[in-house]
Amino acid sequence: EVQLEESGGGLVQPGGSLRLSCVASGSTVNRNYVSWVRQAPGKGLEWVSVIYRGGHTYYGDSVKGRFTISRDNSKNTVYLQINSLGAEDTAMYYCATFDYGGNPPGDALGWGQGTLVTVSS
Amino acid sequence: DIVMTQTPLSLSVTPGQPASISCKSSQSLLYRDGKTYLYWYLQKPGQPPQLLIYEISNRFSGVPDRFSGSGSGTDFTLKISRVEAEDVGVYYCMQSILLPPTFGQGTRVEIK
Repeated sequence: EVQLEESGGGLVQPGGSLRLSCVASGSTVNRNYVSWVRQAPGKGLEWVSVIYRGGHTYYGDSVKGRFTISRDNSKNTVYLQINSLGAEDTAMYYCATFDYGGNPPGDALGWGQGTLVTVSS
Repeated sequence: DIVMTQTPLSLSVTPGQPASISCKSSQSLLYRDGKTYLYWYLQKPGQPPQLLIYEISNRFSGVPDRFSGSGSGTDFTLKISRVEAEDVGVYYCMQSILLPPTFGQGTRVEIK
């Protein structure tokens, strides 16, 4: 089991940027598939992005070109740089680890507590 | 994208009674490695989602054995053998066999 702790959320104006962090403990980020999943207020879960064990990155269509996922193995941390924010990006952002088809299994499964991003003027 | 369809969308259950949630995927979630990439999560009120079941039927660490998962291919079921008050919340199924991972709409479980 891996413990995940997100930070970096906050209130940002439309068009602004934030960098979210996900710090892992109990397992290393480069041995897992670390995903970001968001949840708009009162809505369901939406997958945002993933960084694979091997470093490949993928994005959902709604964030492609605006969000960038990366990791720092020395800090056991995955980042999500979110740019050109709009009201539709207002959500709780969670990091999570789960496996992806066609890939070797990750070391651990987990889900963080989330960090809230609010886009408003 | 794979569409995940949950039924029912809401459920009201008497404590001690069983409950069952169905999840159907628009494509098979069985990969050629033999694994089926189907997860179940529970989001309790005001909390983040928590993993209950992975790969159809494997209970995650600490999950009570009253929770069980079954199914294959495109049809899956989460069962709670005897619902307790702490089981209230929204249950989601999720697939990760193909990008992007997708979630069901959620099933809200409440206690009568």
